[in-house]
Amino acid sequence: KAGVTQTPRYLIKTRGQQVTLSCSPISGHRSVSWYQQTPGQGLQFLFEYFSETQRNKGNFPGRFSGRQFSNSRSEMNVSTLELGDSALYLCASRSPDRAYEQYFGPGTRLTVT
Amino acid sequence: AQSVTQPDIHITVSEGASLELRCNYSYGATPYLFWYVQSPGQGLQLLLKYFSGDTLVQGIKGFEAEFKRSQSSFNLRKPSVHWSDAAEYFCALRGGYGGSQGNLIFGKGTKLSVKP
Repeated sequence: KAGVTQTPRYLIKTRGQQVTLSCSPISGHRSVSWYQQTPGQGLQFLFEYFSETQRNKGNFPGRFSGRQFSNSRSEMNVSTLELGDSALYLCASRSPDRAYEQYFGPGTRLTVT
Repeated sequence: AQSVTQPDIHITVSEGASLELRCNYSYGATPYLFWYVQSPGQGLQLLLKYFSGDTLVQGIKGFEAEFKRSQSSFNLRKPSVHWSDAAEYFCALRGGYGGSQGNLIFGKGTKLSVKP
């Protein structure tokens, strides 16, 4: 079974722009969670989607948003990019029968200049 | 409060030596705990998990961890380290309430270097 895939793997944007990242979960997984990883703050939970609905949200500003499609693929969007948004963005999926285990993709490395 | 602390930022061990990475948690009930490993430029791979029951859990790649409720700890161990174990290791707690409910709260990570 293919793992979690994320596109693109690398991205360079300019401050003030917006960006969209994509995540395809493992087949059969309906929950997708997003995390931000930075050297200073470490790994922080952004939000979770399940059946096209946001189920939980971490402590991030409204510039960070997401959505999930009927095939469980998810996108996250960051508007009005700031230098501090430079990070590795990881998504994770989990299956209904092993709901406590999250499986991570390779991440998208976003650099804001 | 719910949080995870990994006291060691960086550890260096010799190949073949034993390893113990420390993890302490703060949580009001029985925690669900995890160890993940991240190689450079990669995502996170689940090494092992503790939900309940036997306090010594076995994982992949020869790793094990012991849950000690009295010490609020979940330390990761390996009897003999291989050069390929060099990576960053993260301890995580499943959030039980608030915005992170059902998702992971991570420690800051411990970077492991292996000397030949």
